[in-house]
Amino acid sequence: GQNIDQPTEMTATEGAIVQINCTYQTSGFNGLFWYQQHAGEAPTFLSYNVLDGLEEKGRFSSFLSRSKGYSYLLLKELQMKDSASYLCAGVDNYGQNFVFGPGTRLSVLP
Amino acid sequence: ETGVTQSPTHLIKTRGQQVTLRCSSQSGHNTVSWYQQALGQGPQFIFQYYREEENGRGNFPPRFSGLQFPNYSSELNVNALELDDSALYLCASSLGRSGNEQFFGPGTRLTVL
Repeated sequence: GQNIDQPTEMTATEGAIVQINCTYQTSGFNGLFWYQQHAGEAPTFLSYNVLDGLEEKGRFSSFLSRSKGYSYLLLKELQMKDSASYLCAGVDNYGQNFVFGPGTRLSVLP
Repeated sequence: ETGVTQSPTHLIKTRGQQVTLRCSSQSGHNTVSWYQQALGQGPQFIFQYYREEENGRGNFPPRFSGLQFPNYSSELNVNALELDDSALYLCASSLGRSGNEQFFGPGTRLTVL
């Protein structure tokens, strides 16, 4: 199977750091994407990890461990505009099948 | 460079009807993927088209079908609409079929009554 799990909801305070975890079944995936989706809008690309390790891009970083089937998205210096759903998505080895997790709805409070 | 566009924005149909949704890919992209997103859930992969041929399909029945045209734009057709087909339909374009970054359109909100 190709299940992806994420926490449903998270709450954090403006200026803080938050880590959103994603776990998946290790067989069949060749890379992991993170997307941000504001309510009523299309998902927008945040990061793509195909190798193990940490990828840093400004306030956002993403980590992947392929052997453990584990990824996380780290958001630093949280801003109110970061309130959104964060989607973790696995890509199969042929790039044919993208499997999205249920999304984590993050609320940033003042 | 234009982004991914979809039409229509919103659509209301009744059970049993047929619907066609359209997507124009981002300039230079030859791959289009379609997703169904129910409220409060992640997108579910329907199928992908690469250079006018189906390149992968998710767990959707045959009444969900598609096309990709020589200019890489695409259509999603759904026959015999059911109430559960009510969802946001997202189109995403990318370059090649090897898991590259996908750029999403704004989606079509379909309501089946």
